[in-house]
Amino acid sequence: EPEVTQTPSHQVTQMGQEVILRCVPISNHLYFYWYRQILGQKVEFLVSFYNNEISEKSEIFDDQFSVERPDGSNFTLKIRSTKLEDSAMYFCASSDKRGVRPQHFGDGTRLSIL
Amino acid sequence: AQSVTQLGSHVSVSEGALVLLRCNYSSSVPPYLFWYVQYPNQGLQLLLKYTSAATLVKGINGFEAEFKKSETSFHLTKPSAHMSDAAEYFCAVSESGSSNTGKLIFGQGTTLQVKP
Repeated sequence: EPEVTQTPSHQVTQMGQEVILRCVPISNHLYFYWYRQILGQKVEFLVSFYNNEISEKSEIFDDQFSVERPDGSNFTLKIRSTKLEDSAMYFCASSDKRGVRPQHFGDGTRLSIL
Repeated sequence: AQSVTQLGSHVSVSEGALVLLRCNYSSSVPPYLFWYVQYPNQGLQLLLKYTSAATLVKGINGFEAEFKKSETSFHLTKPSAHMSDAAEYFCAVSESGSSNTGKLIFGQGTTLQVKP
């Protein structure tokens, strides 16, 4: 069964540094998402992406965040200047149809900011 | 704004006992509803979904959930718990309608413990 893959599985970065989290969605999917889960808290929506543009973003997704689909397979989340509070598990998800069809999640990238 | 409430952050059952994990949503229009399971150090795996077809939905691993519009609920059940069911369970909603971008709103999660 096709899977969403995320790399790296764990990223340790100094505060203030830029970090790029990478995702390879399922190949025929058109809708892409990033979520995060701070330790002990619920999963929170960050951003949705369709047709090479952001379709919705949450309040968390401020100017420090950006997403890109640089080629036909990768979907990336960039944090320009990381803060301690960015430490979390970041999940990528994809779907072939928004809403009615379920999203498939990757195993996540654990981001630790020192 | 949409919200999802999972009553009980921790549920403990004995192996073989009934599992009941509660989920209530807030929406005037029935949304799409999902239950996901998360095993340690893994991503979210879809258990089942409700998308306005049958109100009783069967999923993987013997789980099922019933959509009750009058109660705005989508509780997850399994008749007999297995040790391998121990995990974190998340209820999530996605708005229906043409303006929906597909984003999921999650509940806070319920940790299921299964005792031998």
